[in-house]
Formats: sequence, structure tokens, C-alpha cells
Amino acid sequence: DVKVTQSSRYLVKRTGEKVFLECVQDMDHENMFWYRQDPGLGLRLIYFSYDVKMKEKGDIPEGYSVSREKKERFSLILESASTNQTSMYLCASRLQGSAPQHFGDGTRLSIL
Amino acid sequence: AQTVTQSQPEMSVQEAETVTLSCTYDTSESDYYLFWYKQPPSRQMILVIRQEAYKQQNATENRFSVNFQKAAKSFSLKISDSQLGDAAMYFCAYRSMGNDMRFGAGTRLTVKP
Repeated sequence: DVKVTQSSRYLVKRTGEKVFLECVQDMDHENMFWYRQDPGLGLRLIYFSYDVKMKEKGDIPEGYSVSREKKERFSLILESASTNQTSMYLCASRLQGSAPQHFGDGTRLSIL
Repeated sequence: AQTVTQSQPEMSVQEAETVTLSCTYDTSESDYYLFWYKQPPSRQMILVIRQEAYKQQNATENRFSVNFQKAAKSFSLKISDSQLGDAAMYFCAYRSMGNDMRFGAGTRLTVKP
């Protein structure tokens, strides 16, 4: 089975801090994604990557950046955390083509 | 940009009964994929069923089936013989032939014993 692992299930940080959310997948997937999930809004795409060192902006990239130095790891960075970034963050990966996405368990991030 | 609409924020069904969750989407493309994902309280998003737009036949996975109406841009999920373990948030998702995927706002399904 595909395993997508997010480094933390719960995280509490303070406004202005630089926050790193890590995601690792073990199935050599080319594509990786970061979403945030908010009640009533579903999942919204922040950034995605279709190869090492490649990144593309999703629908809501403002305030975020990403890093993909190795194929299995995709990091989401909050450069200066703000309270409106309190949310559930989901990482996903998949192969190229028609394959479905596989998701991690999510990180519930609270910014105080 | 493509949008996905789930018009039912909440639904409930009696155990062993059938329930249908609605989903509509907006696109100008002819080839794409559609998905239903389930998110139980454990938070793990699980793929329930998928449909390729070029296939006319509706996808079926055991108790789960879809009603795909391409012209109407509708993609509903039918759950037959509902079980307590089906209680979850259900998300409809659209993906173009590129890489991006769009999700609906979700429908929370409650199963009553």
C-alpha cells in the first residue's frame, strides 16, 4: 500500500514564526500536493510539484512556499505564520496519468 | 477554473437503506476524471470510486455506484445497504488531464442505527 506520512498530526505555533510541514511518500510518485481543508470550503490546493525541484502554484499560494529537493519529500513552509493560516493541512501524492491521489493523515495546525 | 459543487452539506440515512449524494461540476474540457473520496473521523482520505469521462458506463465498487451524466455535468454517488462505517465526510473531486484537482465542499453523511 502507498504510504504518505505527514510529520505531525497536531502542531501549535505562534504568529510570525516560520513553520515547516513535512510530507514523505514511499512509492516513487512523481506528483505531490499540499491542500488546506476548512469547514464549508472543502480542500483547496496550495501548491503542487510534478518533479524534483519543480513547483506550481495552486489556488491559494499566498503566504506559503514549498520545497522539493528529493522525490519522496515535499515540504510546505509558512514564511511568517498568521492566525488565518490555522487549518487542517493535507498532503497527497500520485503517479503521472490517471492514477488517484493518496493522502496523508493531515496536520491540524493552530497559529496563536 | 473548474468548480465542483456539492449542494448537500449534510445527509442522513437509516442503516441498510440507500442514499444518494449529489455533485455537479463546471468544465469546458471533454476529457477528465471524477472521484468520490471519503474522510472518516480518523481524517484519512480514502478513495471510494472513480470515473473517466470518456467511459459511458457508470463505475461501481461493491455497494457504491455513481450516476454520471456528462451532458448535465453531474456525478452523484449512491450508497446501497448503508452501514454504520459509511458515516464520514464525502468529497466529490474533478481532475483535468493536467495535474490539478478540484474538490467540492463536502457532504457529511450520518448513518442512523
